[in-house]
Amino acid sequence: KAGVTQTPRYLIKTRGQQVTLSCSPISGHRSVSWYQQTPGQGLQFLFEYFSETQRNKGNFPGRFSGRQFSNSRSEMNVSTLELGDSALYLCASSLGAVGNTEAFFGQGTRLTVV
Amino acid sequence: KQEVTQIPAALSVPEGENLVLNCSFTDSAIYNLQWFRQDPGKGLTSLLLIQSSQREQTSGRLNASLDKSSGRSTLYIAASQPGDSATYLCAVLSGYSTLTFGKGTMLLVSP
Repeated sequence: KAGVTQTPRYLIKTRGQQVTLSCSPISGHRSVSWYQQTPGQGLQFLFEYFSETQRNKGNFPGRFSGRQFSNSRSEMNVSTLELGDSALYLCASSLGAVGNTEAFFGQGTRLTVV
Repeated sequence: KQEVTQIPAALSVPEGENLVLNCSFTDSAIYNLQWFRQDPGKGLTSLLLIQSSQREQTSGRLNASLDKSSGRSTLYIAASQPGDSATYLCAVLSGYSTLTFGKGTMLLVSP
């Protein structure tokens, strides 16, 4: 059974540019969550999608957005990149039943903003 | 707002030792608690999931306990090996599929 796949694995972008990250969940999983991991803040929740609807959102600026497609694949977009957006972005998939499912993570996308 | 704390932040032990990692959370209204392992620059690997109605879970040399009323969980690693060296993260699920993470315990097991 294939795991959670994130692409690309590494990205280098310039300040002011925008970037799109992709996440393919485990087959049958309908929930996809995104997290940002930095050395200073640790893992912080960005947003969660279930059946193409954003079900929950963390405390991040509107430059961070996402969407989910009918096949449960999800994309995350960051516009007007800032140096502080450099981080490991992790995607997690789960069955999505409220409060009772195990989360499985991908290998992450390492974003560097220069 | 849920907050998760992990103690210690770092731990160094010789191979073969048994060890305990601690996790505490401020809001006991959780659905479950997961322990993860993260190798440098990599994603998270799920180790154990404890539902809120459970007291403990075991997988091989790992045993995790949960005391929801006191807001605490421990991860016990028996007979540690150098391959156990990694950062261990505790996360609680308080709603939908949103996990709140601790900062982790960085473990180094020396041969």
